[in-house]
Amino acid sequence: EIVMTQSPVTVSVSPGEGATLSCGASEYVGTNVAWYQQRPGRAPRLLMFHSSSRATGIPARFTGSGSGTEFTLTISNLQSEDSALYYCQQYNNWPHTFGGGTKVEIK
Amino acid sequence: QVQLQESGPGLVKPSQTLSLTCNVFGVSVSSPDYYWSWIRQSPGKAPEWIAYIYFSGSTHYNPSLRSRLSIALDKTNNHFSLKMTSLTAADTAVYFCAKSKWGFQPYDSWGQGILVSVSS
Repeated sequence: EIVMTQSPVTVSVSPGEGATLSCGASEYVGTNVAWYQQRPGRAPRLLMFHSSSRATGIPARFTGSGSGTEFTLTISNLQSEDSALYYCQQYNNWPHTFGGGTKVEIK
Repeated sequence: QVQLQESGPGLVKPSQTLSLTCNVFGVSVSSPDYYWSWIRQSPGKAPEWIAYIYFSGSTHYNPSLRSRLSIALDKTNNHFSLKMTSLTAADTAVYFCAKSKWGFQPYDSWGQGILVSVSS
């Protein structure tokens, strides 16, 4: 199965700053990568799909990029509500697999 | 508005079988446009895709769990279900049901999840 590796494990930023989250795939996945936000006790929420397309209702502060094996989620102008876990996921091959997650903390 | 809602036991004994149901609202499980998955998340871990079923009855299972799984679709009651046999403590997790559009697509709707603990 394809292994998705995320870094860093945790990022701590001040409100209004930006954060860059990375995700690497062990094999080629094209642009079939999604990003999810998960707050404690909640289901994951789709943020980005096809690497760079925002899901319905997701603000433009969230930007995705990448193709092949390297992907990035950039969050600009961080707000307190952005404090959460962020997972990347590939849906190019079965089984679909998720990365280990990056925790975004707001200082 | 699409909603998914899991139901099932919160506690199962080791070696027993887990049965979960996902009730779907706002869209028909008979639609050829979507497929229906189960995904679980062990405490402090990343989500793990378990299985999917398509309106045609076509299924696909995670190879690591395939021997213990069965997924089914109930078009009359607009829900789908999961059975997992021979449970161990390692199966303790929050189990989510989720919807995807057919093709290379992400999971765009999720249930709230149900915590299943495996313990005697």
